[in-house]
Amino acid sequence: GENVEQHPSTLSVQEGDSAVIKCTYSDSASNYFPWYKQELGKGPQLIIDIRSNVGEKKDQRIAVTLNKTAKHFSLHITETQPEDSAVYFCAAIDSGGYQKVTFGTGTKLQVIP
Amino acid sequence: NAGVTQTPKFRVLKTGQSMTLLCAQDMNHEYMYWYRQDPGMGLRLIHYSVGEGTTAKGEVPDGYNVSRLKKQNFLLGLESAAPSQTSVYFCASTRDLNTEAFFGQGTRLTVV
Repeated sequence: GENVEQHPSTLSVQEGDSAVIKCTYSDSASNYFPWYKQELGKGPQLIIDIRSNVGEKKDQRIAVTLNKTAKHFSLHITETQPEDSAVYFCAAIDSGGYQKVTFGTGTKLQVIP
Repeated sequence: NAGVTQTPKFRVLKTGQSMTLLCAQDMNHEYMYWYRQDPGMGLRLIHYSVGEGTTAKGEVPDGYNVSRLKKQNFLLGLESAAPSQTSVYFCASTRDLNTEAFFGQGTRLTVV
C-alpha cells in the first residue's frame, strides 16, 4: 500500500521567515497531492493541492512543488505570520484502480512573533 | 452552508459499551470517510463510502462498522468499545476521490 512520510514533525520559525515541509510517497500511481491545515480544535482544511501533471503551484504566500521521479512534494510558506501556526498534513491519493487516500503524520508549525 | 456536521462532539464510554457517531453533509458529495486522529500518527482511514448504499474498509477498520443508507449521512458504529479506540474521529466528504475533502469538527471519544 501507499506510505507517506512527512518531515519535520515540528518546525519553529521567526515571523517573516519561510517554512518548508516535505513529504515522500511510495506509490507511483498516486496522482493527487493536497495539503491541509488544522487549527486547534478544528477539522483540517485544504490550503493548496497539486496534480501529477503539474510540477509547481502557487497561491499568494503558499506554494507546492512536486517531483514525480523522486516521489516527493513540498509545501513552501513565505513571509510567515503568527496565524500560520497550525498542524499541516500532506496526503497522496491514488484515484485509479486502488482508490487509496493516505495522509502524512503531520507537521506542527509554530511562527514566533 | 453547514458543510459537514458531526455529532456528538464529545463522548465518554465505558469499555464494552456501544455507540454510533453520525456524520451529515449537505454538499451532495458522493464520497464520505471516517478517520481517526491519534498523536504522532496523523489521520488514518477507518472506512469509506463511494456512494449511497456502499461501504469499504480503510487502513484500520477492526472494531468499527459503518452504514450509508442515505447519501447525506455516514454512520460509524462501535459495537464494544475498547480503550484503544480512544481518539479524535473526523468525518469527511468529497465530490470525487481526487478533489478537496471537507472535514467535520471532530468527535473526541474517550473509552475508560
